[in-house]
Amino acid sequence: GNSVTQMEGPVTLSEEAFLTINCTYTATGYPSLFWYVQYPGEGLQLLLKATKADDKGSNKGFEATYRKETTSFHLEKGSVQVSDSAVYFCALRGGSEKLVFGKGTKLTVNP
Amino acid sequence: NAGVTQTPKFQVLKTGQSMTLQCAQDMNHEYMSWYRQDPGMGLRLIHYSVGAGITDQGEVPNGYNVSRSTTEDFPLRLLSAAPSQTSVYFCASSYDGLAVGSYEQYFGPGTRLTVT
Repeated sequence: GNSVTQMEGPVTLSEEAFLTINCTYTATGYPSLFWYVQYPGEGLQLLLKATKADDKGSNKGFEATYRKETTSFHLEKGSVQVSDSAVYFCALRGGSEKLVFGKGTKLTVNP
Repeated sequence: NAGVTQTPKFQVLKTGQSMTLQCAQDMNHEYMSWYRQDPGMGLRLIHYSVGAGITDQGEVPNGYNVSRSTTEDFPLRLLSAAPSQTSVYFCASSYDGLAVGSYEQYFGPGTRLTVT
């Protein structure tokens, strides 16, 4: 079945540091890929998405590129802020309507 | 639009009690789902529905029932609460569960449930 593996956290960075959160997937066919973010005490919200190979999703300074050859969708941001502290979930949707999530990576950014 | 709303925000139950977690959306979404979030486990799908009158099991359905009598509402029932059901529960909805690609799930704020 479809699955998502993302790097385990927690990740702690200083403000303005570079962020990478790794995500790899296993799926049949051509899934759509997503990053969701969960701020403290809130539900998840979509951060960015990519629906086909080589697509780059971007939002709020975050980027991720759909790499079919390496089955990856790594999340990056060039300069993190304290307000980026949250839990980040990689997810995919394959041939059915069900979304499959990774286990989440907690990011803490210190001033 | 209120989006996806969930009630209650917090609940404490004793083992063996039953209760219903409420979920409603005002976006006319066909697809609705329930997840539980546990530390180190990410989100796991409990039940989902692709439209009124249609429900199906997800990854961890045991101990939970759902029904979908209207497009707007998708309540989750705990039949006999157990400590293993202590978790944070999220309801989510999307416009069309069968649409490929443009598929964003909108999440409610969650219900934090403790079973003692």
